[in-house]
Amino acid sequence: GNSVTQMEGPVTLSEEAFLTINCTYTATGYPSLFWYVQYPGEGLQLLLKATKADDKGSNKGFEATYRKETTSFHLEKGSVQVSDSAVYFCALQNSGNTPLVFGKGTRLSVIA
Amino acid sequence: KAGVTQTPRYLIKTRGQQVTLSCSPISGHRSVSWYQQTPGQGLQFLFEYFSETQRNKGNFPGRFSGRQFSNSRSEMNVSTLELGDSALYLCASSPVGGRDTEAFFGQGTRLTVV
Repeated sequence: GNSVTQMEGPVTLSEEAFLTINCTYTATGYPSLFWYVQYPGEGLQLLLKATKADDKGSNKGFEATYRKETTSFHLEKGSVQVSDSAVYFCALQNSGNTPLVFGKGTRLSVIA
Repeated sequence: KAGVTQTPRYLIKTRGQQVTLSCSPISGHRSVSWYQQTPGQGLQFLFEYFSETQRNKGNFPGRFSGRQFSNSRSEMNVSTLELGDSALYLCASSPVGGRDTEAFFGQGTRLTVV
């Protein structure tokens, strides 16, 4: 079946530190991969996505590269801000009209 | 453009009761999906509706049901509530659903069962 595994949090970083949140997946076929972010009291917002191998998704300074050989889609940001504090979810969606499959989420806290 | 609207935002119910949650998708979106979010299980897919038909269903008991109206608004119902049904219920809409179409999420309905 399809599944997503991401690093457990919480992750606490100082402002301007480098961020990596690991995400690996198991899927049949060639899924699209996503990172969603959930700010306190809010629903999920799409942060970035990649639809095929070697694609790089990027948004707001965050990046993730679709690595088929390692079945990974790690999220990175070079310099985090306090406003990046949120829960980050890695997700996949397989072909056709199948639903999104989410990882458990990683809580990030950035301190000034 | 208005986003996905879920009502109510908060709900407290007693074990054994039933509850109905509502989701109004973005105008023009025909696919509506529902997810349950809990600290232990994370985000779990409940079901998806497209053009008033249930297109996908997750692994939840029959107490969980839903429907979609001709204007794409959707409701989900949980009967005979259990304490374990306490969760944040999220609704997501997209134009047609499926791969490569972005899902837009509402703020959720937080259900507490006492």
